[in-house]
Amino acid sequence: NAGVTQTPKFRVLKTGQSMTLLCAQDMNHEYMYWYRQDPGMGLRLIHYSVGEGTTAKGEVPDGYNVSRLKKQNFLLGLESAAPSQTSVYFCASSYSSGGVRSYNEQFFGPGTRLTVL
Amino acid sequence: EDQVTQSPEALRLQEGESSSLNCSYTVSGLRGLFWYRQDPGKGPEFLFTLYSAGEEKEKERLKATLTKKESFLHITAPKPEDSATYLCAVLHASGGSYIPTFGRGTSLIVHP
Repeated sequence: NAGVTQTPKFRVLKTGQSMTLLCAQDMNHEYMYWYRQDPGMGLRLIHYSVGEGTTAKGEVPDGYNVSRLKKQNFLLGLESAAPSQTSVYFCASSYSSGGVRSYNEQFFGPGTRLTVL
Repeated sequence: EDQVTQSPEALRLQEGESSSLNCSYTVSGLRGLFWYRQDPGKGPEFLFTLYSAGEEKEKERLKATLTKKESFLHITAPKPEDSATYLCAVLHASGGSYIPTFGRGTSLIVHP
């Protein structure tokens, strides 16, 4: 199993350009998440999905859009990149096994380092 | 407002010098508290899950405990390879779903 993979690993954009980050998982997990990590700020949730065809906003959703057309993929889009979106982006997936103690740990990808000039 | 606070922000230890990291939280509808380890340039890796006050988990030199308001990650006789950033995350109710909120992490350096 590859686990959680992210494409690309690095990217440099100019202000106003658009791009899509791809996250793929081969563990058949229901839940998928996109985070950004900035120095001193920890991981902040951008958007998440609780199943195929569903998405929801997290803590910092402005300037980003997401789609989950297939269970194994979760795409993060930047329509018009801004320097404030320079960050390291992590994707994660997790699953629920049912019951009170049903929510399980997240599996993280290796990250995408994005610089917006 | 749901909050997760980790302390200290940074910790330097000598090899063999035991210590504890703290994660305090103010959230509603707690479903679980997770500890992760993150090495530079990599994604976080799972360490422990705690679901209810009084629960404890151990793995090698690490032991995690949970009360109603905070969690501790105890590191006993640390080694240089334990150097990393340690993150805690609280899974809690929000808008009909359960979402994780992360603390800012504790950067641990263990000197030989």
